Amino acid sequence: GQNIDQPTEMTATEGAIVQINCTYQTSGFNGLFWYQQHAGEAPTFLSYNVLDGLEEKGRFSSFLSRSKGYSYLLLKELQMKDSASYLCAVRSLGGNTPLVFGKGTRLSVIA
Amino acid sequence: DVKVTQSSRYLVKRTGEKVFLECVQDMDHENMFWYRQDPGLGLRLIYFSYDVKMKEKGDIPEGYSVSREKKERFSLILESASTNQTSMYLCASSPSGGGSGELFFGEGSRLTVL
Repeated sequence: GQNIDQPTEMTATEGAIVQINCTYQTSGFNGLFWYQQHAGEAPTFLSYNVLDGLEEKGRFSSFLSRSKGYSYLLLKELQMKDSASYLCAVRSLGGNTPLVFGKGTRLSVIA
Repeated sequence: DVKVTQSSRYLVKRTGEKVFLECVQDMDHENMFWYRQDPGLGLRLIYFSYDVKMKEKGDIPEGYSVSREKKERFSLILESASTNQTSMYLCASSPSGGGSGELFFGEGSRLTVL
């Protein structure tokens, strides 16, 4: 089976840094994705990791450890507009295999 | 600007009705997917397709069917809608071949079955 775990909710202060963790157990691994989803909107792609290490993209960074089945999304200099759900998703096998999603982490940024 | 378009943002149907949800993408993607999203359950895969006329069951195919007659269009069909199919339905597409194969999502169709 496949299992992807992430916290249900988090709260952080504007200007701060927040780390959203994701652990996964899948039969095979071929990439981990992070998506952002604002309320009532479609998910939008944030990052992709297939090798161990940190990928940085502006205020957002994503880290992967394949041996630990672990990833995190790091958001720096938080802004109110970062309030959204953050979805962790894993592709277990080949490039066309559908993504399996975690249940998402709802982040609230407060002043 | 690349796009996945779902035909209806909001639908209200009655139990037992046949429901069609349409999805069209303009990116010439080979792969298309239907997910449903429910509070506390996240996104769950219903059906997907790798090519025209091909379809594969996802994790929760019961009560649904799909049609892919053209590359750009992937339809989700509820043969006889039931109240437990009230949900947000998200269509997505992705390219085959190299690269991350990220999913591009439509805006979603919120279906209420009364």
